[in-house]
Amino acid sequence: QKEVEQNSGPLSVPEGAIASLNCTYSDRGSQSFFWYRQYSGKSPELIMSIYSNGDKEDGRFTAQLNKASQYVSLLIRDSQPSDSATYLCAVNKGGYQKVTFGTGTKLQVIP
Amino acid sequence: NAGVTQTPKFQVLKTGQSMTLQCAQDMNHNSMYWYRQDPGMGLRLIYYSASEGTTDKGEVPNGYNVSRLNKREFSLRLESAAPSQTSVYFCASSERGALIGELFFGEGSRLTVL
Repeated sequence: QKEVEQNSGPLSVPEGAIASLNCTYSDRGSQSFFWYRQYSGKSPELIMSIYSNGDKEDGRFTAQLNKASQYVSLLIRDSQPSDSATYLCAVNKGGYQKVTFGTGTKLQVIP
Repeated sequence: NAGVTQTPKFQVLKTGQSMTLQCAQDMNHNSMYWYRQDPGMGLRLIYYSASEGTTDKGEVPNGYNVSRLNKREFSLRLESAAPSQTSVYFCASSERGALIGELFFGEGSRLTVL
């Protein structure tokens, strides 16, 4: 079982819709959770961090964490073509100074 | 504000050649990392340095060495390049503590080994 799992996609959504991206992790001791956006040919860019159960909102982005079920999700409201990218879920187990990434979900927002 | 700077951005090597990828950050971060990214494999940690003077192996360290030259600089060396090391390499930095995982990445170095 991979430490961090994501559906590779592509996930296609129409412009203006809500895009829902999901991630599961295997280590119950994981403490910190992150979403990165990576445009084709570019480096990953942090867009959300979440550390406790529940929802965290930042503009059009909402991160959701459920430690009991070991999943974290990212909702993108009012999706725009500029949101088309690969979204990487990342997990830190705490105290190990290192972060494990999922393989990413490719999102396509159709105008 | 440059952030994380990697050099070179592109490099072609022949099997058996050696090279060093350089990375420098100007954010006064304590921790630095080297990742490689391959299609279908995602980002995999090669080595990391939790703080100046320390380095540790990550998930895929074989064939690589690192040096944390000072707080700003963290280099990755390939002693004898192999075609399996063809990849895109990313350097990243972060603060310690609860912010570990909030990584700032360089632009990447695309390496091809023939």
